[in-house]
Parts: sequence; structure tokens; C-alpha cells
Amino acid sequence: AQSVSQHNHHVILSEAASLELGCNYSYGGTVNLFWYVQYPGQHLQLLLKYFSGDPLVKGIKGFEAEFIKSKFSFNLRKPSVQWSDTAEYFCAVDRGSTLGRLYFGRGTQLTVWP
Amino acid sequence: DAGITQSPRHKVTETGTPVTLRCHQTENHRYMYWYRQDPGHGLRLIHYSYGVKDTDKGEVSDGYSVSRSKTEDFLLTLESATSSQTSVYFCAISGTDRNQPQHFGDGTRLSIL
Repeated sequence: AQSVSQHNHHVILSEAASLELGCNYSYGGTVNLFWYVQYPGQHLQLLLKYFSGDPLVKGIKGFEAEFIKSKFSFNLRKPSVQWSDTAEYFCAVDRGSTLGRLYFGRGTQLTVWP
Repeated sequence: DAGITQSPRHKVTETGTPVTLRCHQTENHRYMYWYRQDPGHGLRLIHYSYGVKDTDKGEVSDGYSVSRSKTEDFLLTLESATSSQTSVYFCAISGTDRNQPQHFGDGTRLSIL
């Protein structure tokens, strides 16, 4: 079965620190990859997506992610976090089908201290 | 934000009662999805629809049914609610274009006592 692993359940950083959140998936075929963010009490918002092409994808709010096919990974990065980045982050994968069924990781709670 | 409205936003009910959650979209998107979000589990797909009257099961479909009689509405029904179905339910939509990601509604917080 498809699975998505997010290694860090809770990350605590100070403002201006660099961030990297890990995401690995288990499916060996063509995949589309996503990072979503959920601010407290809100719905999920798309941060960035990868379908094909350049494996380094840039998203909103200064986030980027790198797809490394050989490692089945799609890690999220940001060089300098802000207090407003405090949120829960979800990695998601779909297996390249037209039905777009998403498989989500369990999420990583990021807390940024001012 | 995508035009997705979930109703109700909050509901408290008792075990054994039927519950219906509604997802309404104004984007004319083909695909609609129902997820549940629980601590430590992320989001899990309950059911999805790929057109009017076309639905299929997701990974946690037991105890749930869905209906889609119009493009804009996707209903999730708990025929006889149980406490294990206490959760936050999110609806999502996506278009026919393969490169369109899913967009989510604001969620329904359902508590079953």
C-alpha cells in the first residue's frame, strides 16, 4: 500500500533559523508530490507541487522542495523561518492517476518562537 | 480561495443518529473528495467522486456513504454515527486538468457523544 512518511512530528525553531522537513514515500512508479500547510483553525492550503521537470520546486512564502527520485524523497525547506510560519505541514503524494487520489503523511507541527 | 462551502461547520450529535455533511462547490470541477483529519493520522480519504453519480471508496470508507446528484454538491452520510467518527471532515475539489492540485474547504468539526 502507498505510504507517506514524515519523520518529524514536532519541530521547534527560533525565528531566522533554517528549516528542513523530511518526506518519503513508498510508491515506485510515477508520482505527483505536494506540500500543504494548515494554519491553526484553518483549512489546508497548497504550498507547492511537483509534477515533472526541475526537481527543485519553489512555492509560496519562500518555501521550496527538492524531489530526489532515487531516495523517494520530497523534503521541504526554507532558509529563514518566521513566527508566522507556525503551522502544521503535510506532505502528500498521488500516483500519477487521473483520479488524483492523495495519500497524506501524518503531518509535522512547526512552532517558531519569536 | 477555491469556491468550496462545507455545511455545517460544527455539529454535535449522539451515537446512533444519522448525520449528513454537505460540500458545495462553485468551480464546476469534476473531482470531489471527502477526507477525515485525526491527530497523528494526517488526512485520510473516505470517498471520492469523479462525476455525477460516479463515486468510489477511499481508504477509510466503512460506516460512510456518499452521493453526488449534481456537479456542485457532494454529500457525506454517516448512517448511524459512532464515537469513532468524531473528527474534522474536509471536502476537496480538483479539475479535469491533470496538473490541477486539490483545494480544500474549511472543514466540518463533528463530535459524536
